[in-house]
Amino acid sequence: NAGVTQTPKFQVLKTGQSMTLQCAQDMNHEYMSWYRQDPGMGLRLIHYSVGAGITDQGEVPNGYNVSRSTTEDFPLRLLSAAPSQTSVYFCASSYSGGRYGYTFGSGTRLTVV
Amino acid sequence: GDSVTQMEGPVTLSEEAFLTINCTYTATGYPSLFWYVQYPGEGLQLLLKATKADDKGSNKGFEATYRKETTSFHLEKGSVQVSDSAVYFCAWGEGTGGGNKLTFGTGTQLKVEL
Repeated sequence: NAGVTQTPKFQVLKTGQSMTLQCAQDMNHEYMSWYRQDPGMGLRLIHYSVGAGITDQGEVPNGYNVSRSTTEDFPLRLLSAAPSQTSVYFCASSYSGGRYGYTFGSGTRLTVV
Repeated sequence: GDSVTQMEGPVTLSEEAFLTINCTYTATGYPSLFWYVQYPGEGLQLLLKATKADDKGSNKGFEATYRKETTSFHLEKGSVQVSDSAVYFCAWGEGTGGGNKLTFGTGTQLKVEL
């Protein structure tokens, strides 16, 4: 009954460091997405994938990379962290995409100092 | 462009009061509509959804009706509890194009007091 698992839950980075936020789902969902949540701005789409080997950019992709080598995993890489990337990051997956909704992970709270 | 507009919070109510959180959307085509809830320190949970006009989604005493003529999906509950305190997000999604993403409103914080 794991659903969507994100690690780590909390992370502090120094400006310029890189890191990978992990996301794994055990529901055999084809669709996966990464969002960031900032106060007063709701959730904004960073990158998404419609299946293994297929990724594309969302609304705010700059400074982030993704890959999808398996159906289960969809890691998000921060290339060179900046204070503007301080946020809460959510990974989500879906069997059928936007039509029927997504299942969300519990989030990663990232602070860049 | 495509968007979701929901009422700003925080909304503060007494326990057993009636709740309405307004949501209107702008979208092409025939989107599905959702309400997600986020409890403190947690991720988003799907509260209810409606996939076509005039559908009513319901769950845990919450209801919302898909009104295509007014492009609205207002969330209602007849008697709120302290445990309903959370942030509520309205969203729409489509099954074609754009990676099947969800478009979210900015969220409405609800505080229920004894």
